[in-house]
Amino acid sequence: DTGVSQDPRHKITKRGQNVTFRCDPISEHNRLYWYRQTLGQGPEFLTYFQNEAQLEKSRLLSDRFSAERPKGSFSTLEIQRTEQGDSAMYLCASSLRSTGRWAQYFGPGTRLLVL
Amino acid sequence: AQKITQTQPGMFVQEKEAVTLDCTYDTSDQSYGLFWYKQPSSGEMIFLIYQGSYDEQNATEGRYSLNFQKARKSANLVISASQLGDSAMYFCAMREGLGNEKLTFGTGTRLTIIP
Repeated sequence: DTGVSQDPRHKITKRGQNVTFRCDPISEHNRLYWYRQTLGQGPEFLTYFQNEAQLEKSRLLSDRFSAERPKGSFSTLEIQRTEQGDSAMYLCASSLRSTGRWAQYFGPGTRLLVL
Repeated sequence: AQKITQTQPGMFVQEKEAVTLDCTYDTSDQSYGLFWYKQPSSGEMIFLIYQGSYDEQNATEGRYSLNFQKARKSANLVISASQLGDSAMYFCAMREGLGNEKLTFGTGTRLTIIP
C-alpha cells in the first residue's frame, strides 16, 4: 500500500496525558498537512510542512500542540496535557504540489478520545 | 461568512439514479481550486474531482462530474448511475489564492443510496 498511513488508528487517553500521533506520507510527496475533524464537521486545517519546514500554523494549534517533520519524511503531532475538547479525528494528508489540480491525499486518520 | 456552504445535511437516493450534491463558495480571489472528497464510515478522505477557477470546461472523472457555475459561485457534484458503495459523507473544499496550502471544507452531505 503506497498511500498515506497513520498510527495509531485509535487512541483513548485520560485528561492531562500527552499523546503523539505519527503520519507517513506518500513517499515522493514533499508537502504534509495535519487537519482536525470533529463530529458533524468538515476537517479544519492545523498546520503544514514543506519538506522539514513548518510553514503555516492555524490559530487552532494552541501551545499544547506541536508538530514535527524532522527529516522531511514522516511527521508527528503531539498534544500535551490533553483536554476533553481535543477529542476528534486527526487527519494527515500529503501532496506533491500546491498549485493547480494537485490534490491532497489523506490517510485513514487517528481517532482520539479524551476521557 | 462561510467559505464553503453545503446546504444538504443528508440525501437519500435510489440506486442507479443520478444525484447532485450542492456546494457554494465565497472568495474574493480570482485564482482558486475546488475539490470534492468522499469520506466512508472508515474515516479516510478520498479525493474525487478538482475544478480550477480558470478551467473553462466542467471537470469529469468517471461517474463524477462537477457542475461549475462561476458567476453563481457554485460547484455542485453530480454522480451518475449511483451505486450502493457511493453511500458516504461528501465534502466540498476550496483552496484560495496562489501559494495557499490550506483547504477549507464545508460541513458535508451524508448520501445514502437505497437498493
